[in-house]
Amino acid sequence: GEDVEQSLFLSVREGDSSVINCTYTDSSSTYLYWYKQEPGAGLQLLTYIFSNMDMKQDQRLTVLLNKKDKHLSLRIADTQTGDSAIYFCAPGDNAGNMLTFGGGTRLMVKP
Amino acid sequence: ETGVTQTPRHLVMGMTNKKSLKCEQHLGHNAMYWYKQSAKKPLELMFVYNFKEQTENNSVPSRFSPECPNSSHLFLHLHTLQPEDSALYLCASSQGRGGQPQHFGDGTRLSIL
Repeated sequence: GEDVEQSLFLSVREGDSSVINCTYTDSSSTYLYWYKQEPGAGLQLLTYIFSNMDMKQDQRLTVLLNKKDKHLSLRIADTQTGDSAIYFCAPGDNAGNMLTFGGGTRLMVKP
Repeated sequence: ETGVTQTPRHLVMGMTNKKSLKCEQHLGHNAMYWYKQSAKKPLELMFVYNFKEQTENNSVPSRFSPECPNSSHLFLHLHTLQPEDSALYLCASSQGRGGQPQHFGDGTRLSIL
């Protein structure tokens, strides 16, 4: 099955950019998702990218996909304290409806 | 009305109790999912239903029994649970096809005494 790896923690200062990285093993993943989880809440869909794209921008969020290296990243520009949360990378299977989640990266934003 | 609603939000039960978790989606989706999120492991898929039919059972112990009476409702019946079953149980729904993301509820925090 698919393996998805993320670093556990990232700490940045308010106003800086944050980059959260993810590696995966299944090259047939068609849609790759990023979710955000705040304390006491479920997972909120942030953005996703289709595998034939290498970049997608959505306001402060930029997703980069390197299919050759099976590497996905999420860049958050002008990071705010409200961005503090756990971020999950979730590649979908080739049908796109079954997801494998990474362990999550806890982002801490310091004022 | 939020898209995916889970009740209760918190549940404390003894190992011999029987209880049920409920999930309801108001998004018109055809697929529903149960996940387990515990502190030490990545999010684990438990069950998948498509058009009320179970299409995935990820080797879940029989003390967890899902029920999907229609495409909008999903239940997880619990009995004779173990302390290691304490976790956050998340429900999600989707259209069940590529490019249609899963939408999650806020989960039920389950504690087994």
